[in-house]
Formats: sequence, structure tokens, C-alpha cells
Amino acid sequence: KQEVTQIPAALSVPEGENLVLNCSFTDSAIYNLQWFRQDPGKGLTSLLLIQSSQREQTSGRLNASLDKSSGRSTLYIAASQPGDSATYLCAVSQGGKLIFGQGTELSVKP
Amino acid sequence: EPEVTQTPSHQVTQMGQEVILRCVPISNHLYFYWYRQILGQKVEFLVSFYNNEISEKSEIFDDQFSVERPDGSNFTLKIRSTKLEDSAMYFCASSVVGARSSYNEQFFGPGTRLTVL
Repeated sequence: KQEVTQIPAALSVPEGENLVLNCSFTDSAIYNLQWFRQDPGKGLTSLLLIQSSQREQTSGRLNASLDKSSGRSTLYIAASQPGDSATYLCAVSQGGKLIFGQGTELSVKP
Repeated sequence: EPEVTQTPSHQVTQMGQEVILRCVPISNHLYFYWYRQILGQKVEFLVSFYNNEISEKSEIFDDQFSVERPDGSNFTLKIRSTKLEDSAMYFCASSVVGARSSYNEQFFGPGTRLTVL
């Protein structure tokens, strides 16, 4: 059974710092991996999709990598801003559905 | 930019009552999903729907749940007899291609918070 884990559960950084969020999964037979942002009490905003054949994807200050063989993905956020404060979720696509991690709650202090 | 919409944003109901949660997927999307998130827990898959049929469902999606696409734009989730443990945020999502494709990118709505008293 696929398990998705995100470390750390919470992270607090000063504004301007570069940071890395981690996601690991136990079964490498995935179609893709998606990173989402969730603001408190709100829906999920898709940030990046990495197909199973890809190694990384970039969007603005965000860069996500995927290492299927080791069951790991990282989300790199450059030059963090207070507006980046949110919970970041990773999800793997397998068996016709998305399977989510529990998220990393990020706080960027001015 | 096209987005998934959901109504209502918050629904309060008494245990045992029926509720219908509504979603309008992105217009050119063909695959639809419901997920839920109990407070403090992971987002969980409930069901996927394509071509007027359920494609996949989880063990959570029992006989109390049903989904329907009553017209060309709406996608609904019905809970027949709500229980306290059904209290959660329910998210609708849609995609252009199915979830067994590496191109599957799911777009989520803002959610409906269901509170069962």
C-alpha cells in the first residue's frame, strides 16, 4: 500500500531564505507527482506536476525534483516571501487516484 | 483562468439527514473526482467519475455515498444519511485526462466544509 510522507511537518524561516521541502513515497510505480499549496481553510492550488519520466519541473521561484527509484521528491523555494506561508502537500498518482502526504506547514517571517 | 467551483462553502446538517454537495468542474475537463479532508488529517480519495460512470472508489465510498452528473456542467456528491464522522472538508477536482496517465493534473475547487451535528 502506497504511503506518502512529508518532512518536516512544520518549518519557519526568515524572509529571503531558500528552502527545501521533502516528500517520500514507498511504491515507485506512480504515474506522476503533484505539489499543491493549501492556505488555511481553503482549497488546493496545483503548483507543479512532474511526470514519472521527468526528473524536475520549474515554475518561477519553485523547482521540484523527482527520483522515482529512491521514492523521493523535493520542492525547492527560492528567496522565500511572507506570501509563501501556507501548507504544501505532495501527492502521487497511482491506481487511478491521488495519494497525499500530510503536508509541511511553512511560515515565512518578515 | 478557468477554475473548479463548489457550493455551498459551508453546510451544517443534523445526523441522519441527506446532503448534496455541488461542483462545477472546469468546462473542457472530462474526469471528475471527490476527495475529503477530516480536520488535521490527510486529504483522502473518495471517488472518480468518467463518462457517467464511477471509475474508481475507495473503501470510504460506501452505499451511503453516490455521485451524479445531472447535467452538462454540475457534478454532485450525495450522502444519504450523514454521520458525525462525515464532518470534513469535501473537495471536488477535475482533469483533462484520466488518473492513469502521467499527464493527469488535477485541479481542485475551494471545498465545502460539512459539519454534522
